[in-house]
Amino acid sequence: QVQLVESGGGVVQPGGSLRLSCAASGFTFSSSGMHWVRQAPGKGLEWVAFIRYDGSNKYYIDSVKGRFTISRDNSKNTLYLQMSSLRAEDTAVYYCAKDHARGSYSDYWGQGTLVTVSS
Amino acid sequence: EIVLTQSPGTLSLSPGERATLSCRASQSVDSSSLAWYQQKTGQAPRLLIYGASSRATGIPDRFSGSGSGTDFTLTISRLEPEDFAVYYCQQYGSSPITFGQGTRLEIK
Repeated sequence: QVQLVESGGGVVQPGGSLRLSCAASGFTFSSSGMHWVRQAPGKGLEWVAFIRYDGSNKYYIDSVKGRFTISRDNSKNTLYLQMSSLRAEDTAVYYCAKDHARGSYSDYWGQGTLVTVSS
Repeated sequence: EIVLTQSPGTLSLSPGERATLSCRASQSVDSSSLAWYQQKTGQAPRLLIYGASSRATGIPDRFSGSGSGTDFTLTISRLEPEDFAVYYCQQYGSSPITFGQGTRLEIK
């Protein structure tokens, strides 16, 4: 069955950096686009970034452009989110999610990893 | 950016009743590229509906989606105790992908 397991969350100071990972199994990772979606404490869902199956195209929400980088290693079945210049408003649970097709809806989600930006 | 507005914010109903949740878009959603997700406390979202009206794998037929253009509806025909959760709509037809703010379905 499809499994997505995020890791790498934690507490970081404003202006700091963090790299999230998402280990995928149970499907052909190298054929699937992938999303990162976040949820601030007590708030709704916010799409953050998407990467095509081969890493050729990447898309971001405006608020993270230039600060976050989505990437993938298809040989390791792993998705990444490199976050830098972190702000308090980046505090959230970050979910990785499998794309159904061509940057559409997410048919499977991981359990999320919490990132807290605080001094 | 397409803004999705969900109503009501909170819906209080009893098991066995029918629930109707609304999602209105600020502009037309391409090709009915609208999905619905259910999220229970402390859990990841779960896909319910895609393409405005297609049920995802394993979703009971008491869940149905309808609508097109700017107005979409999620209907739960007879509420089961496990259906009380937060529901989000999402449009994926235009970049950036956006979500509604959610409707909390609570037990009356």
